[in-house]
Parts: sequence; C-alpha cells; structure tokens
Amino acid sequence: NAGVTQTPKFQVLKTGQSMTLQCAQDMNHEYMSWYRQDPGMGLRLIHYSVGAGITDQGEVPNGYNVSRSTTEDFPLRLLSAAPSQTSVYFCASSYSRTEYYEQYFGPGTRLTVT
Amino acid sequence: AQKITQTQPGMFVQEKEAVTLDCTYDTSDPSYGLFWYKQPSSGEMIFLIYQGSYDQQNATEGRYSLNFQKARKSANLVISASQLGDSAMYFCAMRGGWNTGNQFYFGTGTSLTVIP
Repeated sequence: NAGVTQTPKFQVLKTGQSMTLQCAQDMNHEYMSWYRQDPGMGLRLIHYSVGAGITDQGEVPNGYNVSRSTTEDFPLRLLSAAPSQTSVYFCASSYSRTEYYEQYFGPGTRLTVT
Repeated sequence: AQKITQTQPGMFVQEKEAVTLDCTYDTSDPSYGLFWYKQPSSGEMIFLIYQGSYDQQNATEGRYSLNFQKARKSANLVISASQLGDSAMYFCAMRGGWNTGNQFYFGTGTSLTVIP
C-alpha cells in the first residue's frame, strides 16, 4: 500500500498562474480532504469529499476548486495563484460515516507563490 | 460550533520525564472522536492515539496516553519517559458526527522540545 500520495512535493508559482495539486489514495477511503498549514494556525480545511461525486467547502475554500470523479483521486486546483496561498498543503483520507476513524495524511506539498 | 483549543504554543521537558499537552474541545455532537497527531521537523503527520466519546477508559498506546475528561471537554496527551525523538509539533483533533460531515477539526498545535 502506498497510502496517500501527493505530487509535487515542492512548487513555485508566479502570481496569477494556475496549477493542480494531485492527491491519490489506495485504501478505498470514501473521505478525502485538503488542508493548508500556515505557521501558528494549525491545519485549516480547504475542501473535503465524503465520496465520489460529492464535495463540500471547508473553512478556507476561496481560490481553490476540487472535484472527485473517482474514489482514489482528489485533486486541488488553484485557479489564479496569489502570494497569500503560499503554504504547505496536505491531503488526507479516511473512512466516511464515522467519527471513530483517524485520517491518513500525504507527505505534503510546499507551495510558494511569488 | 466545533472548536479545538491548544493553549500551550511551546513546551519543554527533560529527557525521561513525563509531559502533558493540553487540549480542550467544544462540540454539540453527542458522538465524536478525539485524535492526537505528531509532526516532526521533517513535516509528515503521524497519527498517535484515538479516543471515542463513548469510551469509558482512557486510551493508551505505548508511551502515549490520552487523559479524557468528558465533563470538562478536555483530551490531554500524556507522554511518559520523554525521548529526544519526541521533539515535534503535536496537534489535537476532533472528528464530528454525520451532521457535520464527519469533518476533522484541528487545534493550532503545541511545539514540544525534549532537553537532554
């Protein structure tokens, strides 16, 4: 099992550019989520999905889009990058419909927007 | 509203001593899960321990134990016999019920430094 994989590990973008952060999991988890981590602010939820075809907004969704066409993949799209989106991004997965199961995290993507 | 509060931005502990990292939570869900994660300087998020809201006994995993006090809405992490490798950020998290989409909510973290 590869667990949760994320690509790329590092990315530098110019303001206004768009890009997609890839996330995949091989554990057949229905629940997938994207977080951003900024110093002193913990992990903030961007978007999440409870199954293929279902997505919802988290705490900080502006500037980001997601889709969930398969159980395995949950890409995060930055529409027009801004310096405020400089952060470390984590994808995570878990079983759905339960509050009693932990999330598994990917290794993270460090994004810098200049 | 669901909320996790970690009031200790940084903590120091002597090697081989025990340390308690504080976590309080707020929820109206009757059923929820509480989790602790460790983030070493390398950046990955490592799951440590879990406690269900209906569990009567405190969870333990090796040197980690979760001091769960439901009436006080606290879920403190206790690390016994600290080791240098325990130096890391520690995040408390709560997973809510189905009516909140089983979302996870994270605290802002506590940075633990183990002193030789």
